[in-house]
Amino acid sequence: QKEVEQNSGPLSVPEGAIASLNCTYSDRGSQSFFWYRQYSGKSPELIMFIYSNGDKEDGRFTAQLNKASQYVSLLIRDSQPSDSATYLCAVSGAGSYQLTFGKGTKLSVIP
Amino acid sequence: EPEVTQTPSHQVTQMGQEVILHCVPISNHLYFYWYRQILGQKVEFLVSFYNNEISEKSEIFDDQFSVERPDGSNFTLKIRSTKLEDSAMYFCASSEEGDTQYFGPGTRLTVL
Repeated sequence: QKEVEQNSGPLSVPEGAIASLNCTYSDRGSQSFFWYRQYSGKSPELIMFIYSNGDKEDGRFTAQLNKASQYVSLLIRDSQPSDSATYLCAVSGAGSYQLTFGKGTKLSVIP
Repeated sequence: EPEVTQTPSHQVTQMGQEVILHCVPISNHLYFYWYRQILGQKVEFLVSFYNNEISEKSEIFDDQFSVERPDGSNFTLKIRSTKLEDSAMYFCASSEEGDTQYFGPGTRLTVL
């Protein structure tokens, strides 16, 4: 059974700070890793994807992947109140496009 | 920017009734998916569809569920005989090459 684990939070950060969100996964064969943002009552919105070990930056967002530790993280720089949402980590495996989601981490950015 | 669309936004039905949820994937996408999210729980995979056939399905996707691409633009999920526990948000997603998936706004299904 593939598992994706996230700290449910809530994670509170002041406006302008760096928010750090973490995710671990159980299937060592996982190949693709995604971060989605979900506002309350809305659908998941794709923010970042990463396939290779290391860092990938896109604007204020940086995804980090460490396959040896089965760990993926999302950093949000200069956090804004509009970043307040639940962040979902999702993983897909070799030969499969099925996404396995974590429960999500609720982020609250305090003005 | 192209988007996945879903209708209706909210569907209320009686237990035992059939429902069909509708999705229009992004036009050049080839892979289509259904996920569901019970209130307060994880997003769960139901089924993926490629080249006019199911490519993967989860344990949730039993004989009560079916999917269809009736024309070049629509993708539907049918639940034959709804149960109370089918109440959830149902999300359609599409992908150009299979991996990066974009979600629609969802249909909230309420089974009474």
